[in-house]
Amino acid sequence: KNQVEQSPQSLIILEGKNCTLQCNYTVSPFSNLRWYKQDTGRGPVSLTIMTFSENTKSNGRYTATLDADTKQSSLHITASQLSDSASYICVVGPGSTLTFGKGTMLLVSP
Amino acid sequence: NAGVTQTPKFRILKIGQSMTLQCTQDMNHNYMYWYRQDPGMGLKLIYYSVGAGITDKGEVPNGYNVSRSTTEDFPLRLELAAPSQTSVYFCASSSGRVDTGELFFGEGSRLTVL
Repeated sequence: KNQVEQSPQSLIILEGKNCTLQCNYTVSPFSNLRWYKQDTGRGPVSLTIMTFSENTKSNGRYTATLDADTKQSSLHITASQLSDSASYICVVGPGSTLTFGKGTMLLVSP
Repeated sequence: NAGVTQTPKFRILKIGQSMTLQCTQDMNHNYMYWYRQDPGMGLKLIYYSVGAGITDKGEVPNGYNVSRSTTEDFPLRLELAAPSQTSVYFCASSSGRVDTGELFFGEGSRLTVL
């Protein structure tokens, strides 16, 4: 069964600090891995999409890495801001049925 | 640019009632999807459509129906609502296959069945 596991479940950091969120997956065959940001009460918004051949991708202060051999990905957030408080969801393809992780809830404290 | 628009945002239903969640996108995307998000769980695909007139079941289709008469609209019908259908529903669209194209989500419709 395809699975996406994210850690930690939740995280509190001080504004301005960096953090790294983890994603392990057992999805086969693999097509791509995405990270989404979901603000409370809103729909998910895409941060990055990586295919098998890509091992890093950045979107502003967000940098995602992918190790297809170990089936692991991480999302690094640099110089966190209060607006980064949200759930971060790892999603793995392929096909019409993407496999969604449960998300990591990040709270950035002033 | 509105993107993906869902209505209603909130709804309370009694057991056995029926309702339709509306979804409209203005990006001329061929692919549209309905997901549900339960507390503490990952999103699950209910139904999807690859174009007008074409729909297919996802992972959790029981208790739901869809139609796709136009490119823009993809309504989700709940028949005989049950407490297990209490959830947040998200409509999404993409220009291409979901394993290659970016997915755009609506703001969600929170449904409570009592």
